[in-house]
Amino acid sequence: GAVVSQHPSWVICKSGTSVKIECRSLDFQATTMFWYRQFPKQSLMLMATSNEGSKATYEQGVEKDKFLINHASLTLSTLTVTSAHPEDSSFYICSAPRLAESYEQYFGPGTRLTVT
Amino acid sequence: LAKTTQPISMDSYEGQEVNITCSHNNIATNDYITWYQQFPSQGPRFIIQGYKTKVTNEVASLFIPADRKSSTLSLPRVSLSDTAVYYCLVGDYGNNRLAFGKGNQVVVIP
Repeated sequence: GAVVSQHPSWVICKSGTSVKIECRSLDFQATTMFWYRQFPKQSLMLMATSNEGSKATYEQGVEKDKFLINHASLTLSTLTVTSAHPEDSSFYICSAPRLAESYEQYFGPGTRLTVT
Repeated sequence: LAKTTQPISMDSYEGQEVNITCSHNNIATNDYITWYQQFPSQGPRFIIQGYKTKVTNEVASLFIPADRKSSTLSLPRVSLSDTAVYYCLVGDYGNNRLAFGKGNQVVVIP
């Protein structure tokens, strides 16, 4: 079946540095992908919609200059956390819809980011 | 997006049927009801989706009353590996932006 992968699965970085997280759809094309953030014991929060070939759409309250999203191909979206701070430490998850208009989405395994 | 309300947590014994409820009083005509399962430190996994009445697949059943203001996910004969957070979401096909509520932590006890 369709699979979405993420890389890396975990990363530790120092405060002030930038970290890039990749999200790939392995056997299907995804013109749209989504990025979520999840803090411990909390639900997923949608951060932004990644659109292939165009700018990402950010949810209210998400800083677009801090969380850079690039969707350069039909199978790859990247999220770059710029100038990371400890409060950015979280579990970042991407997803892609199985069909262009479907509520069924495939989620990646997530990336655990720890900023020291 | 319609808001959903679920119990925070529930326990069940291994081998029993578990029924997880969800309220969505403001569901719109075009909205579908979708359930996801999430294990710790993993991305959510699609379980089932329905619009009205009853839907069944290989892992669960979804019961939706006529007014569609609530739904119940039924897991038959749960095992310890079914311990997870279960999320109920409501939205239309044209809107892929998923709004997750707080979910329901289900703990299966031996």
